[in-house]
Amino acid sequence: EDKVVQSPLSLVVHEGDTVTLNCSYEVTNFRSLLWYKQEKKAPTFLFMLTSSGIEKKSGRLSSILDKKELFSILNITATQTGDSAVYLCAVARAGGTSYGKLTFGQGTILTVHP
Amino acid sequence: GAVVSQHPSWVICKSGTSVKIECRSLDFQATTMFWYRQFPKQSLMLMATSNEGSKATYEQGVEKDKFLINHASLTLSTLTVTSAHPEDSSFYICSARGEGVGSDTQYFGPGTRLTVL
Repeated sequence: EDKVVQSPLSLVVHEGDTVTLNCSYEVTNFRSLLWYKQEKKAPTFLFMLTSSGIEKKSGRLSSILDKKELFSILNITATQTGDSAVYLCAVARAGGTSYGKLTFGQGTILTVHP
Repeated sequence: GAVVSQHPSWVICKSGTSVKIECRSLDFQATTMFWYRQFPKQSLMLMATSNEGSKATYEQGVEKDKFLINHASLTLSTLTVTSAHPEDSSFYICSARGEGVGSDTQYFGPGTRLTVL
């Protein structure tokens, strides 16, 4: 059975801190790993990673994938209160009837205090 | 780009009635849409995969006769919760994956909060 595990489950920091969120996975026919941010409603897309060792960056957020060790990290530098959200990691499978389906981790709840 | 809308955003209904939720891709064609449900403080659980012009594929444990899915066009999928009961109360979210916007990336609608009394 496919598994996506995120850690920590929750994190409380102060503005300006840097945080690292972890995502490990066991998925047959791995295709890609995606990060989403969920505030009150539906998840918004952050990154999609397919290759090991290549960092994706967007502003203060960055992410990298290690396909050998089967994990990814999401870094947020100089956190702001607007970064408070649930961060979801998901893995896409390749091939057959599972093509394109995402398996989600349980999420990391990030709270940034002023 | 890659905007997905859902309607309604919330609905309250009586037990035994049916509720239809619409999911639209507004600025791209979505050959595949997905329906999820999410319970409070839990992650997204995939219910079914909806392919345009063919029958939906349901995940194990999801009753296809209870959760009817129709994907009649490349921009619209509907989920009908039939004979709703209080245990069907949940947050239902759709996502759409289009060929031109990154084949694995799913763009999510804003969700529909269903409350069954």
